[in-house]
Amino acid sequence: EIVLTQSPGTLSLSPGERATLSCRASQSVSSTYLVWYQQKPGQAPRLLIYGASNRATGIPDRFSGSGSGTDFTLTISRLEPEDFAVYYCQQYTSSPLFGQGTKLVIK
Amino acid sequence: QVQLQESGPGLVRPSETLSLTCSVSGGSISADYWSWIRQPPGKGLEWIAYISESGDTNYNPSLRNRVTLSLDTPKNQFSLKLSSVTAADTAVYYCARGSSDFSWFFDYWGQGMLVSVSS
Repeated sequence: EIVLTQSPGTLSLSPGERATLSCRASQSVSSTYLVWYQQKPGQAPRLLIYGASNRATGIPDRFSGSGSGTDFTLTISRLEPEDFAVYYCQQYTSSPLFGQGTKLVIK
Repeated sequence: QVQLQESGPGLVRPSETLSLTCSVSGGSISADYWSWIRQPPGKGLEWIAYISESGDTNYNPSLRNRVTLSLDTPKNQFSLKLSSVTAADTAVYYCARGSSDFSWFFDYWGQGMLVSVSS
């Protein structure tokens, strides 16, 4: 069974800084099926990135995804105040599986 | 624009069955994968199960024995039943559309519904 481990658990940064979030799989997964979501308090998750590096409709280009095999990264180039939220990765092999999340907080 | 809305009791007694319905508008459930995901208070996301337009189902192994999904195509709704609930099943329950277009992801979500298990 694949396990997705996200790090760090909490990331403290200031607006304007660059954020790098990691998602590591316990075994190699297809990048086609690696996805990222953003969740703000009291809201449902929002699809950000699919296929490891493709932005979903309406997602600003400051969000980018990369990676392959077991290591995937979500990068936010310059943090805006509205970017502080929890981020989840998700993969699909025989069924969907989420990572435990990274909480991005304002420093 | 596809919209989803969960409905059902917000309080369920221990050992009873949790029943939720998701109503879909702006699109047909005659395609894609109709899913349930939950989130215990202050915790992460847990996928529960999905049902396809043909009625095929896929369940989280940890919940398989307690979960039943169904599809009501004429009403454009799908439903979740989770039996023998305990306090550990207290969570916000989301319904969502799973799409397998190139990748596999949840692109439309309901607003979520808090279901508490308590006597």
